[in-house]
Amino acid sequence: DTTVKQNPRYKLARVGKPVNLICSQTMNHDTMYWYQKKPNQAPKLLLFYYDKILNREADTFEKFQSSRPNNSFCSLYIGSAGLEYSAMYLCASSSNYAEQFFGPGTRLTVL
Amino acid sequence: QQKVQQSPESLIVPEGGMASLNCTSSDRNVDYFWWYRQHSGKSPKMLMSIFSNGEKEEGRFTVHLNKASLHTSLHIRDSQPSDSALYLCAAMTNSAGNKLTFGIGTRVLVRP
Repeated sequence: DTTVKQNPRYKLARVGKPVNLICSQTMNHDTMYWYQKKPNQAPKLLLFYYDKILNREADTFEKFQSSRPNNSFCSLYIGSAGLEYSAMYLCASSSNYAEQFFGPGTRLTVL
Repeated sequence: QQKVQQSPESLIVPEGGMASLNCTSSDRNVDYFWWYRQHSGKSPKMLMSIFSNGEKEEGRFTVHLNKASLHTSLHIRDSQPSDSALYLCAAMTNSAGNKLTFGIGTRVLVRP
């Protein structure tokens, strides 16, 4: 099974409120990634976990947090949502830096 | 910061025709190029990858790589309506933690 699951599929949030998105995979992949995709823009890597080590991109360092309580789960946390956070959030996983398998995405709308 | 440029932005191909997509990286340290296909409403799925100069063929899909010019191209022959999708090119650099940098994509429409 090469499925990556994401919950919820759609999320409506108010400006200033926290948002927590969940991703899971059962392929025992060592690395899990979070991307942000806005219309007519390239998917942008936000952060990734290699095993238990979190790597956050420099330009989004303060905007997103993440946790990986076990190998299968990874969350993306926004402490205070702003309008600019409205986007599709894609989770992916891979093993040994090979092919990345993507989930269906969570569409976040911030109002 | 590395950029990945894809062209054209969109492409209309007659059924049975050839689609040619281009991708160039600005990072001389790129080790791999990946091509992903994303059908509408679905998640991106890896189509092909290439890291050596030359050509790689899998069924109706052929990928070329010229490492000197950091350019890769994807060719779809005998295009089918089911090939209509967004095609994303991504570059991976081992020294940067094997992260993928994506282009905006090329939207392909195959007309029956």
